Amino acid sequence: GQQVMQIPQYQHVQEGEDFTTYCNSSTTLSNIQWYKQRPGGHPVFLIQLVKSGEVKKQKRLTFQFGEAKKNSSLHITATQTTDVGTYFCAGERGDYKLSFGAGTTVTVRA
Amino acid sequence: IAGITQAPTSQILAAGRRMTLRCTQDMRHNAMYWYRQDLGLGLRLIHYSNTAGTTGKGEVPDGYSVSRANTDDFPLTLASAVPSQTSVYFCASSGGSSYNEQFFGPGTRLTVL
Repeated sequence: GQQVMQIPQYQHVQEGEDFTTYCNSSTTLSNIQWYKQRPGGHPVFLIQLVKSGEVKKQKRLTFQFGEAKKNSSLHITATQTTDVGTYFCAGERGDYKLSFGAGTTVTVRA
Repeated sequence: IAGITQAPTSQILAAGRRMTLRCTQDMRHNAMYWYRQDLGLGLRLIHYSNTAGTTGKGEVPDGYSVSRANTDDFPLTLASAVPSQTSVYFCASSGGSSYNEQFFGPGTRLTVL
């Protein structure tokens, strides 16, 4: 079964609001990656976190990796219509393979 | 070509038929992967290859086979398609080290009737 759990499955956001999606693994990860898939498109790499407690920012997106390297989060501030899509976390356990979460599908109300 | 390509874009297939999904990359990446994407389940790894000449099973390998005769190509074969294999299939590649991002192809939408 899926070893990386991601919540929520759906997120309906008013434009300008913030939201967070969470990712939890049953095992310790060597790194975690985040991908974005626009409707009808393919997943596109956003970022990779490697170190325990690591925090990285990309403009309005903030990514965190937990101290135990089992959880991660993506926080988006001031949501825009360009943020629409599905965000996936993907954990890697040191075997070159990724285990993807089910994704959070984001819709934005203008 | 630039990046990773897949063919066909979409296909409707009768159950029991054999089908090969094609994937080609021109980035000289060592590792290649096949995923299927189903609503609510995210991306699940079917098979992978860390380098030309080697392949391995992923999370959901049953009913699928792959080969990696060279660096660029990684075809996925359904020997006898069943309706539960209706899905969107993505091929991906990466540089092969543990910390490399994966690059995804545009996907193949397969419907098995």
